[in-house]
Amino acid sequence: QVQLVESGGGVVQPGRSVRLSCAASGFRFSDFAMYWVRQAPGKGLQWVAVIAYDGRNKFYEDSVKGRFTISRDNSMDTLYLQMNSLRGDDTAIYYCAKDNGKLTPHYYFESWGQGTLLTVSS
Amino acid sequence: EIVMTQSPATLAVSAGERVTLSCGASQGVSSNLAWYQQKPGQAPRLLIFGASNRATDIPARFSGSGSGTEFTLTISSLQSEDLATYYCQQYLKWPLTFGGGTKVEIK
Repeated sequence: QVQLVESGGGVVQPGRSVRLSCAASGFRFSDFAMYWVRQAPGKGLQWVAVIAYDGRNKFYEDSVKGRFTISRDNSMDTLYLQMNSLRGDDTAIYYCAKDNGKLTPHYYFESWGQGTLLTVSS
Repeated sequence: EIVMTQSPATLAVSAGERVTLSCGASQGVSSNLAWYQQKPGQAPRLLIFGASNRATDIPARFSGSGSGTEFTLTISSLQSEDLATYYCQQYLKWPLTFGGGTKVEIK
């Protein structure tokens, strides 16, 4: 079955950078758009970024544009989120999620990883 | 940005009762609406897509309805394992947006 395993979270100082990873298995990774969604402690869900199945198209939530970069390595079945210029309000659990549509995205989140907690604090 | 509003914020219901959760969109999203369940300490799980289509392995007691700006998630007979926060999400326009959630508690 679909498995998504995030890693790379931890405690980082404001202004620094970190890269999150999401290892995928149980499906043909290269056929599906992938997402990052975050959840601040005790708060709701916020979509962060999306990347098309082939990596050609990417979209970002406004507050992370210019600071975060989503990418993927289809040969390694891995999704990434490069996060620069981190701020306190980036503190959250970061989930990777899989789209429902093969090649043509549907833009909702069919499967989710367990998340990785990133804390931005000095 | 399409703003999604959920009500109520919290709901306490007895096991076996019918539960109705509401989700409103600030502009029409047609049927581009999904519902998720998030149990304490767990990742969200897709329940409903296309406003009314149950996702794989979702029990029949969960149903969704609505289109345009008003949507409803119904749990026909609440089970103890349904204790969770429920979120709606629109996927008509960027950015993809979620409602603030409705927390369902068991009386």
